[in-house]
Amino acid sequence: SQQGEEDPQALSIQEGENATMNCSYKTSINNLQWYRQNSGRGLVHLILIRSNEREKHSGRLRVTLDTSKKSSSLLITASRAADTASYFCATQRKTSYDKVIFGPGTSLSVIP
Amino acid sequence: GAGVSQSPSNKVTEKGKDVELRCDPISGHTALYWYRQRLGQGLEFLIYFQGNSAPDKSGLPSDRFSAERTGESVSTLTIQRTQQEDSAVYLCASSQTSGDPDTQYFGPGTRLTVL
Repeated sequence: SQQGEEDPQALSIQEGENATMNCSYKTSINNLQWYRQNSGRGLVHLILIRSNEREKHSGRLRVTLDTSKKSSSLLITASRAADTASYFCATQRKTSYDKVIFGPGTSLSVIP
Repeated sequence: GAGVSQSPSNKVTEKGKDVELRCDPISGHTALYWYRQRLGQGLEFLIYFQGNSAPDKSGLPSDRFSAERTGESVSTLTIQRTQQEDSAVYLCASSQTSGDPDTQYFGPGTRLTVL
């Protein structure tokens, strides 16, 4: 069964706007990660947040984690056309030897 | 090599034939995953190898699918008697699990088309 579920499924914004994507999951986790996929082949790791962290930043990316609500959000500020991609959250359960499970993804389109 | 490699990059086969997909993980990575991604869809977990432990095969969709990995090296995913619904991109990822969370490094994928 799906562990992580992103929403919205698709998002279209103008360049310069902020984009927010959400991820909800069902079981307790060790960590949650966000990945980007540009061309339907291969994913690139963006950021990881551990279960004892609430917020992390990396450049224009901000990730929050609310373990009480079992949810995370990815914020991309000042979006660019190059940010157009699919974004996936992935969760790993209580031990780091558990498999990583991906959600269905959010398709982001940034219009120049 | 610097990254995860997969071969072939594209495979076109006829329904009923067997196919074998290969993944070369990053050297030293103990964990290896196979995923399937249908067009416009998310990643579907297939199988997970972790060191010398028994693989987690819970994602394999049918007994036509199998995978092997020798030690911490190359893995092959075999699909027997392919069906049209097997058409997808098959992605492999490896990670270095050392007590820290798993950051996965993905290969470029193999695009399988079953005619």
